[in-house]
Amino acid sequence: DIQMTQSPSTLSASVGDRVTITCRASQSISRSLAWYQQKPGKAPKLLIYRASSLESGVPSRFSGSGSGTEFTLTISNLQPDDFATYYCQQYNTYPWTFGQGTKVEIK
Amino acid sequence: QVQLQESGGGVVQPGRSLRLSCAASGFTLSTYNMYWVRQAPGTGLEWVAVISYDGNNQYYADSVKGRFTISRDNSKNTLYLEMDSLRAEDTAVYYCARIRIAMSTGDAYDIWGQGTMVTVSP
Repeated sequence: DIQMTQSPSTLSASVGDRVTITCRASQSISRSLAWYQQKPGKAPKLLIYRASSLESGVPSRFSGSGSGTEFTLTISNLQPDDFATYYCQQYNTYPWTFGQGTKVEIK
Repeated sequence: QVQLQESGGGVVQPGRSLRLSCAASGFTLSTYNMYWVRQAPGTGLEWVAVISYDGNNQYYADSVKGRFTISRDNSKNTLYLEMDSLRAEDTAVYYCARIRIAMSTGDAYDIWGQGTMVTVSP
């Protein structure tokens, strides 16, 4: 199975900050990577697909980059609504696997 | 409005069975591969199973293989997950999810249900 490792596990930031979350795959997944945002008690919400494509309706302060084994999610100008847990997911090879999550907390 | 709505969760004893349903609305289920994803309390997300848009192919996580069966009834626009020989470690919120592109075999999940809780406890 392809292991997805996110860092950091927790991130403390303030409104207006620029934050970056990293996701590493245990083997190359090309650009078959998605990022999701999840809030407590809610289903995940798709933010980014194909490593860097912004899902319709998602604010442009979210951006993704990377290919192969190294990927990043960047949130510029962090807003109060952005405090949540973020997951990366590879869909290159079954079983599709998720990172363990990064919780973005208010500093 | 494109939606998925799960049902069928509840409390069940170890070793027993449960069937989850996922009703789709606002789109034609028969053109999409469909998935079940679960999340144990306080933990991350785990892919459980996939079924092809035509129902001819299914794949399972090793943790559920041989115990869970994914199926679909496209005439009813409904996805199912039959769960047998349930274990305590199957306790989780179960989500059904749709892949972004119709008839694609590899893409992100763009539509998720609200989830249904399954608790396996004596």
